[in-house]
Amino acid sequence: DQQVKQNSPSLSVQEGRISILNCDYTNSMFDYFLWYKKYPAEGPTFLISISSIKDKNEDGRFTVFLNKSAKHLSLHIVPSQPGDSAVYFCAAEETSGSRLTFGEGTQLTVNP
Amino acid sequence: KAGVTQTPRYLIKTRGQQVTLSCSPISGHRSVSWYQQTPGQGLQFLFEYFSETQRNKGNFPGRFSGRQFSNSRSEMNVSTLELGDSALYLCASTLGTKLLYETQYFGPGTRLLVL
Repeated sequence: DQQVKQNSPSLSVQEGRISILNCDYTNSMFDYFLWYKKYPAEGPTFLISISSIKDKNEDGRFTVFLNKSAKHLSLHIVPSQPGDSAVYFCAAEETSGSRLTFGEGTQLTVNP
Repeated sequence: KAGVTQTPRYLIKTRGQQVTLSCSPISGHRSVSWYQQTPGQGLQFLFEYFSETQRNKGNFPGRFSGRQFSNSRSEMNVSTLELGDSALYLCASTLGTKLLYETQYFGPGTRLLVL
């Protein structure tokens, strides 16, 4: 049972445009959500997070939106840069727990 | 402040052997979690240690075990290695207090290849 799903395995955008990565979840107990960026054979790098009491969190070029009723979150990157090319994972956690449940990842390619 | 460190970075073993991986968390962090990443299963939670005690456990067989020392460093052991254990093993650390939403910070991982 995949509790966190990223339905797009890949996304390609032009430099300077917006990248939108999507994530859906099914577990109502999740109340903390994170986005990580990952290169092959390296550990995930934390990008941005959002708790369930918010619907938006912004950090520089990165904004995460949370729609609790739809159990959906998205990561917006504006403007996209070639250095943003990587695999992006969304992850979710229950407050009472200490385990992250990850989506399958989306390969973002930003073309110059 | 130094990040999460893992040793070794790469390891080659044969079936039936055992392996021990090490993780040093960010200074001041007391919780260490372990994850396995494989192409087929993605990133899967193995277990979490806090104050030398296993606090949470994923759905992995008993061949996978771990421990944590008083300085918060953690080791993970896999016994009787199988080909399917070939993976990137990641550890992550947090403060572990659970008083606030805490972000897990990951190390670079140990790439294990079982032949």
